[in-house]
Amino acid sequence: DTAVSQTPKYLVTQMGNDKSIKCEQNLGHDTMYWYKQDSKKFLKIMFSYNNKELIINETVPNRFSPKSPDKAHLNLHINSLELGDSAVYFCASSQGVTGEREYFGAGTRLSVL
Amino acid sequence: GESVGLHLPTLSVQEGDNSIINCAYSNSASDYFIWYKQESGKGPQFIIDIRSNMDKRQGQRVTVLLNKTVKHLSLQIAATQPGDSAVYFCAERQAGNMLTFGGGTRLMVKP
Repeated sequence: DTAVSQTPKYLVTQMGNDKSIKCEQNLGHDTMYWYKQDSKKFLKIMFSYNNKELIINETVPNRFSPKSPDKAHLNLHINSLELGDSAVYFCASSQGVTGEREYFGAGTRLSVL
Repeated sequence: GESVGLHLPTLSVQEGDNSIINCAYSNSASDYFIWYKQESGKGPQFIIDIRSNMDKRQGQRVTVLLNKTVKHLSLQIAATQPGDSAVYFCAERQAGNMLTFGGGTRLMVKP
């Protein structure tokens, strides 16, 4: 009965590879997010989708492409992985458009070797 | 733009003592604030929130204080327990905009 679930929890891959992280929420929320958390624990918003429409796209390389097949899912595909992409990626969701209480998944720790 | 709480300081407290975690925010137009707790290996979890028309709100063992005059937010944890050890984030929202997270404070509880 996990509210926001993301897979995989750990992802270890080589530089240059392409990988995807999946996220699903069963809260009936309209808005979903992707955050990147660096080694200093700073949380940086990457993308936000409301009802499958992109509403926030912060300064993120084009190698990162979110896809929302329906409002309960927001996946993150990353092309040509670089060492600097190593981080923990969190999916979150909220009711309403933005600025409401956000519910976070457990995170995906990505290690690029 | 400016961020909420730029650093990751560490607060070390003795088990049973009260903890106070502080957060300075920069946007005087912010109308909603949240405290999150992030335990090791987990995602941030909601603790308590407060709207700008209030200056204090209490939960179970936690109290959030909002001082809009000096743009300061604090989280007080009563009778701190080992399970309270985590990184704590404050977040602010300007009406109609997204949440902006601070840099976090690590709370360490000594037995």
